[in-house]
Amino acid sequence: ETGVTQSPTHLIKTRGQQVTLRCSSQSGHNTVSWYQQALGQGPQFIFQYYREEENGRGNFPPRFSGLQFPNYSSELNVNALELDDSALYLCASSPAGADTQYFGPGTRLTVL
Amino acid sequence: AQSVTQLDSHVSVSEGTPVLLRCNYSSSYSPSLFWYVQHPNKGLQLLLKYTSAATLVKGINGFEAEFKKSETSFHLTKPSAHMSDAAEYFCVVTPGTNAGKSTFGDGTTLTVKP
Repeated sequence: ETGVTQSPTHLIKTRGQQVTLRCSSQSGHNTVSWYQQALGQGPQFIFQYYREEENGRGNFPPRFSGLQFPNYSSELNVNALELDDSALYLCASSPAGADTQYFGPGTRLTVL
Repeated sequence: AQSVTQLDSHVSVSEGTPVLLRCNYSSSYSPSLFWYVQHPNKGLQLLLKYTSAATLVKGINGFEAEFKKSETSFHLTKPSAHMSDAAEYFCVVTPGTNAGKSTFGDGTTLTVKP
């Protein structure tokens, strides 16, 4: 069984640019959530997608957006990057209604 | 609404001595509670979870946690620390059975001295 995978592993961008991060869910999981983990902090919930629709959002501005595709893979897009967006971005997948999610290894984004 | 407070940002123990990592939570729902571990440059690994069954939960690598509703606590313990336990630990609360909308604590860094 393939776990959750994310790409790229590392990414460096400059302030004002746009970035797209990708996540491939674990087989059979139709729900994906994205989290931002700043250095020295716990992950913070960005949003969740279920069956290609946004299904809940944390306290993040609209420049953070997402997509979920029919094969349940997902993207996180961030526009107008700011220095504070530098963080580890984690995606996690789960079957609908499940109490446990499975995390990918993360994408380390650095904004200069 | 839900929140998690990890009461210690750093815990240091000697190898072979007990480990206690403290977590308090609040939730408007009947919560599910989790402990995750994160080793440097690694992803999050699930240690154990509580989802309204037995209040004493056993996890991997000898870790346990006890759900105490009256104290709104979910402390993590291990009888004997091993060097490989050194890592960052996160207490997590999730509303009901929706795994994705989780709230993490700020983490506790566990150091194990030889």
